[in-house]
Amino acid sequence: DAGVTQSPTHLIKTRGQHVTLRCSPISGHKSVSWYQQVLGQGPQFIFQYYEKEERGRGNFPDRFSARQFPNYSSELNVNALLLGDSALYLCASSLRGADYEQYFGPGTRLTVT
Amino acid sequence: KNEVEQSPQNLTAQEGEFITINCSYSVGISALHWLQQHPGGGIVSLFMLSSGKKKHGRLIATINIQEKHSSLHITASHPRDSAVYICAVTNTGNQFYFGTGTSLTVIP
Repeated sequence: DAGVTQSPTHLIKTRGQHVTLRCSPISGHKSVSWYQQVLGQGPQFIFQYYEKEERGRGNFPDRFSARQFPNYSSELNVNALLLGDSALYLCASSLRGADYEQYFGPGTRLTVT
Repeated sequence: KNEVEQSPQNLTAQEGEFITINCSYSVGISALHWLQQHPGGGIVSLFMLSSGKKKHGRLIATINIQEKHSSLHITASHPRDSAVYICAVTNTGNQFYFGTGTSLTVIP
């Protein structure tokens, strides 16, 4: 079975632009979570979705939004990009949510200039 | 103060040594996760615990819910164990809290 996939692998954006990151979970997994990892730091939790509904939200501004589709894939959207949004964005899927083993994707490296 | 504290931050060991990484947390949890991150960013889940002890090969994870503490042990360490080990907890509100990680280097 394929693991968690994320696209794109890398991208460069300019301050003020908008970005959409995509995540496809492992087949059969119904939960997706998103994390931000700034270089040299641990991951920070952004969102958790299960069965297309938001089930958990971290301490991120409203510029960050996400959604989960009927096929359980997910998008993370960030508006009005700031330099500080430069980070590795990780997606993880699990069978049913936070209390299940998390399977991480390879991440999307976002650079904001 | 972070909800999850790990120690030590950095650890260097000789091949074959027994290694312990500690994690303390301050929130009520529904699960605790031990994760491994190699250079380049890929994260692998090692354990998910809600009580007791789990063992996979040379890795052992324990949790004491009353003391809000978990340990990750590596027996007979090997250079391929060199990585960052991250402790994370999930609370009953489906939020994740991460420690800052322990950078382990195992020298041949």
